[in-house]
Parts: sequence; structure tokens; C-alpha cells
Amino acid sequence: QVQLVESGGGVVQPGRSLRLSCAASGFTFSSYGMHWVRQVPGKGLEWVTVISYDGSNKDYADFVKGRFIISRDNSKNTLYLQMNSLRVEDTAVYYCAKGGFYSNHKWFDPWGQGTLVTVSS
Amino acid sequence: QPVLTQPPSSSASPGESARLTCTLPSDINVGDYNIYWYQQKPGSPPRYLLHYYSDSDKGQGSGVPSRFSGSKDASANTGILLISGLQSEDEADYYCMIWPTNASGVFGGGTKLTVL
Repeated sequence: QVQLVESGGGVVQPGRSLRLSCAASGFTFSSYGMHWVRQVPGKGLEWVTVISYDGSNKDYADFVKGRFIISRDNSKNTLYLQMNSLRVEDTAVYYCAKGGFYSNHKWFDPWGQGTLVTVSS
Repeated sequence: QPVLTQPPSSSASPGESARLTCTLPSDINVGDYNIYWYQQKPGSPPRYLLHYYSDSDKGQGSGVPSRFSGSKDASANTGILLISGLQSEDEADYYCMIWPTNASGVFGGGTKLTVL
């Protein structure tokens, strides 16, 4: 079955960096767009970024543009999120989610369990 | 970025129907967009339910019961998630989403559905 497992979350000071990973299995990873979506505990969902199936196309929400970088290694079936210049307001659970077949703009299905990033001094 | 408006809460009794709404801002037309719906229960990641563009262009998530359905009210510029035959297990948060620019995705603020 399709499985997404995030890792790399933790506590980090403002201004520092963190890299999240998402290990995918159970589907042809290299054929699907992949997304990161975040959720402040107790609050709503925020789409963060997407990467195309081959890594050639990336889009970002305005609030992370210039600070976060999405990437993927199709040989390792792994998605990454490099988070730089972290702010307190980036504190959230970060979910990776499988996107559309050769498409960046479809539904997210499934989602990983999420990894908590806490930005605090 | 457009803001999708969802009522913060809704409630209905078991067996009844729940109609959850997702209103688009007036400068964009609900008829031009796929509306995606997600369900999230406490302590779990969101789950894709369905998407709706039109009666001839829609989709249901794997394993999602047919009592979950989507529609639109063009006069209100609103996407609708209808849950018929409510069950206690339907108690959850529900989020709508669109791709307004074919680049950045936008979620609504979510509706907490209580099954009385």
C-alpha cells in the first residue's frame, strides 16, 4: 500500500535551518508530483510547496518563498524540504502528500503522518 | 491569494444530512475550479474525500462512501460537501481547497462537524 513517512522534525532556534525528509513506498514515486502541507497545532491547513514528478518544476507559497527549498531523489523515493531562516511562525506539523499523476495540481492522497517542527529560542 | 470561507462549525444528528459550504471570493468564479474536500479526525492526517468540478467531472477518494458527495451553488459562488446519513464517525474537521493560480494551493479555514 502507499506509504509516506516523514522525518527530520524537531526543535530549532529562529534563523536556523532544518531539513525534512519523506520516504515514499508502494507507488511509482517518479511519476507523481509531491507536496508539503503544514498545520499549526489546533489550526487549519496551509499548502507550502510542490515539486513536479521529475523535479523540474517547483512552486512555493509566498510565506516560504526564498527560504524553503523542495527537492526529490527519485532513485531513493524520497522527498525533501530544506527549511532555512526559520521563524517562530513556521512552527507546525509538516505533512508530505502524494499529488497528481504527472501533475502538480490535483488532490493530495495520501498524506503522511506528519513531523512537528518547533521554532523557538 | 483568495480566501476560501468555511463556517467554523456545523452540527447535525445521526441519520440526517450535513451540508458544508466553501465560499469563494467574489473576484473568482466557483464554476472555474475543482473544489477538493478533505476530512481530518483528531490526531490523524487529513484524508482526501472527493473533488467536484461538475456532475460530469468529479472524483471520489478510494474507500470514501457514496454518502459523501460534492456540488456547487453558482448563485452563492460556493462549493458544497454533502454528507448524507450522518454517522458518529463523520465527526471531524472538513477542509476545502482550490488551485486558484495553477501554482499555489489555497485551503479554507475548515469546518468542525459535530454529530449530535
